Amino acid sequence: KNQVEQSPQSLIILEGKNCTLQCNYTVSPFSNLRWYKQDTGRGPVSLTIMTFSENTKSNGRYTATLDADTKQSSLHITASQLSDSASYICVVSARNNNDMRFGAGTRLTVKP
Amino acid sequence: EAQVTQNPRYLITVTGKKLTVTCSQNMNHEYMSWYRQDPGLGLRQIYYSMNVEVTDKGDVPEGYKVSRKEKRNFPLILESPSPNQTSLYFCASSSLALGTDGYTFGSGTRLTVV
Repeated sequence: KNQVEQSPQSLIILEGKNCTLQCNYTVSPFSNLRWYKQDTGRGPVSLTIMTFSENTKSNGRYTATLDADTKQSSLHITASQLSDSASYICVVSARNNNDMRFGAGTRLTVKP
Repeated sequence: EAQVTQNPRYLITVTGKKLTVTCSQNMNHEYMSWYRQDPGLGLRQIYYSMNVEVTDKGDVPEGYKVSRKEKRNFPLILESPSPNQTSLYFCASSSLALGTDGYTFGSGTRLTVV
């Protein structure tokens, strides 16, 4: 069964610190991987999308990496801000592009 | 503004009373989908639609119905809601063209069935 596993389940960091969230997947054949940010009670919003040939992509203070060989991705957040407090969801698509598998998310709390 | 609009945002109902959650998108997207989100489980797909009059079951379709009579609308119908359908529901849409940016999600509908 295609699965997406995220770690840690939750994370608390101090404002200004960096952090890295992990995503491991078994979805095959792989098409792309997206990271979404979901504020409490709101719909997820796309941060990055990566295809098989890409191994890093940045969006402001967010940098995603992808290792398609080991089927791992990470999301690195630099100089965290209070507004980064949210759930971060890894979504992996199979090659038909609409079989999307969602991870359970990492709940990040940034404290002052 | 490009968006997916869900209504209502919050709903409390009683077991067995039919309800409909509406979803509308203004981006001319072919693909629309409904998800439910429960603590610790992530988003699980209920039903999806590749285009008008084309719908398919997702991972957890039991107890739900959908229809796609128009491209912009994709309502979720609970004919006889039960307490295990208490959840946070999201509608999403996307273009079927490869290389697009993925889903646009609605703001969610928090449903409580008592």
